[in-house]
Amino acid sequence: NAGVMQNPRHLVRRRGQEARLRCSPMKGHSHVYWYRQLPEEGLKFMVYLQKENIIDESGMPKERFSAEFPKEGPSILRIQQVVRGDSAAYFCASSPGQNLQETQYFGPGTRLLVL
Amino acid sequence: TQLLEQSPQFLSIQEGENLTVYCNSSSVFSSLQWYRQEPGEGPVLLVTVVTGGEVKKLKRLTFQFGDARKDSSLHITAAQPGDTGLYLCAGAKVNNFNKFYFGSGTKLNVKP
Repeated sequence: NAGVMQNPRHLVRRRGQEARLRCSPMKGHSHVYWYRQLPEEGLKFMVYLQKENIIDESGMPKERFSAEFPKEGPSILRIQQVVRGDSAAYFCASSPGQNLQETQYFGPGTRLLVL
Repeated sequence: TQLLEQSPQFLSIQEGENLTVYCNSSSVFSSLQWYRQEPGEGPVLLVTVVTGGEVKKLKRLTFQFGDARKDSSLHITAAQPGDTGLYLCAGAKVNNFNKFYFGSGTKLNVKP
């Protein structure tokens, strides 16, 4: 059973460009979470999605950031008009979505560098 | 301000020594997870504790959840170089099970 997959693993963008980060959850998992990690820090919650629904986006910046989890295909975290402060590691996690309290399994992350 | 404070931030010890890292909060959590993260990788789950006072053992690692479910500790016996990594605790609050709050981590280096 493949784990959570994220691509690309590394992404370099110039200021003002768009960044698209993809996450394929574990097989059978219907819940996806996105987190951001700055160097030497813990992970910060951004958004929690179920298929076709955003459940909690309280950690997502109000502008330039959006996330989706379509019925078919991976979850996408999209950052428009990137700035240097967006440089970070972005992690996706997934859980089965069958219980109230579930373990989240993390992918290897996408490291975004904005020049 | 971090909801979960981890201490120490950095720890460098010799192989064979014992160590304890702490995860503290003023908030109550419905569950608490410990993860280990290696450079360039995602966090890997070590354990989940859900009951106040609960103790779980994983080989040389012992995890404890505080009675009031506000804090936790991780004790490693006879540390080995393979234990090197960033140890993160993460809590889920009672009214929001799916949103994890992470501590900033303890960076452990075990020297051979």
